[in-house]
Amino acid sequence: DIQMTQSPSTLSASVGDRVTITCRASQSISSWLAWYQKKPGKAPKLLIYKASNLEIGVPSRFSGSASGTEFRLTISSLQPEDSAIYYCQQYSSYLTFGQGTKVEIK
Amino acid sequence: EVHLVESGGGLVQPGGSLRLSCATSGFTVSSSFMIWVRQAPGRGLEWVSVIYSDGSTYYADSVKGRFTISRGNSKNTLDLQMSSLRAEDTAIYYCARSKTQLWLLNSWGQGTLVTVSS
Repeated sequence: DIQMTQSPSTLSASVGDRVTITCRASQSISSWLAWYQKKPGKAPKLLIYKASNLEIGVPSRFSGSASGTEFRLTISSLQPEDSAIYYCQQYSSYLTFGQGTKVEIK
Repeated sequence: EVHLVESGGGLVQPGGSLRLSCATSGFTVSSSFMIWVRQAPGRGLEWVSVIYSDGSTYYADSVKGRFTISRGNSKNTLDLQMSSLRAEDTAIYYCARSKTQLWLLNSWGQGTLVTVSS
């Protein structure tokens, strides 16, 4: 099974900060990597697919990048509404999620 | 607009059964790749079962032989029949749909809580 290691588990940043979440795959997954946002009581929301493609309707402050088996989700200017848990997910072989990163606003 | 709404969760005793349903709108379940994903308390997200548009079904090892995924009588519903439930099946269960790429979950429901406890 492909394992996804996500870090950090929690991050706290101020409005306007640039924040980056990292996800590492245990083996090659090409670019088959997605990022989701989960808010309490709401359905998870797809943000990024195929490592760097922005889903329609997602603000442009969200971006994704990849280097080998390391993937990054960057929020260029953190907004209050970005407070959530973010999950990476590989879909190269079935699917596996990272453990999640809780983003808090200072 | 695409919507998915899960129902059927609740409290059930170990060894019991429960049937979850996912009501959808904005697309046709029978022509979609559909999945059930769960999240146990304090744990990560885990896929449970999938059904392809051709009707093929697959299950995680943890639920194989106990859970059955199916399309509901209505073309807009997805079901998950759960039997021989265990404490470790306690979780929020989400249904989701892949639109553009298999296993890429474009749309999700808000989830329904299943608690297995005596």
